[in-house]
Amino acid sequence: EDQVTQSPEALRLQEGESSSLNCSYTVSGLRGLFWYRQDPGKGPEFLFTLYSAGEEKEKERLKATLTKKESFLHITAPKPEDSATYLCAGTQGGSEKLVFGKGTKLTVNP
Amino acid sequence: GAVVSQHPSRVICKSGTSVKIECRSLDFQATTMFWYRQFPKQSLMLMATSNEGSKATYEQGVEKDKFLINHASLTLSTLTVTSAHPEDSSFYICSAAGTSGRQETQYFGPGTRLLVL
Repeated sequence: EDQVTQSPEALRLQEGESSSLNCSYTVSGLRGLFWYRQDPGKGPEFLFTLYSAGEEKEKERLKATLTKKESFLHITAPKPEDSATYLCAGTQGGSEKLVFGKGTKLTVNP
Repeated sequence: GAVVSQHPSRVICKSGTSVKIECRSLDFQATTMFWYRQFPKQSLMLMATSNEGSKATYEQGVEKDKFLINHASLTLSTLTVTSAHPEDSSFYICSAAGTSGRQETQYFGPGTRLLVL
């Protein structure tokens, strides 16, 4: 069964304290690995898509990386406005269906 | 990025009534849209895949007759919760498959909060 597992479930950081979120996957024939940000009561906001091991993408304080078994979302010098739930999802080749992890709830304290 | 809208954003209804939720892709054509539901503090659960001009494909355990999906055009899909009951109360989110630059992804709507009394 295809699975996406995120860790930790929750993470509290002080403003400026860099850290990483983990997403491990067992999606056979992974086509794409997606990162989204979700604020309470809102739909997920697209951040990145990664396709192959070794690929990296950056956006402001966020950088996503991908290996053959997992992906990391690195947050550099986070600010309180980065507080949200970060969701990881994968798709199989030939399918557009996203398999989501349970998310990591990030809280950044000022 | 691309924009997907949902309407209404929030609905309260009586048990036994039907509720229709609209999902629109505002600046791109979406041949495929997806409907999810999300319970508090849980991740998104795919309910069905909606393809323009054809019948929706439902995930295992999702009742086709209860959650009616229509994808009549490349920019509009609707989800109708028929004879809603309190256990149908949830956060319903749609998404549309699209491309941002060279990145394929799904763009999500803002969600619809359904409360059945």
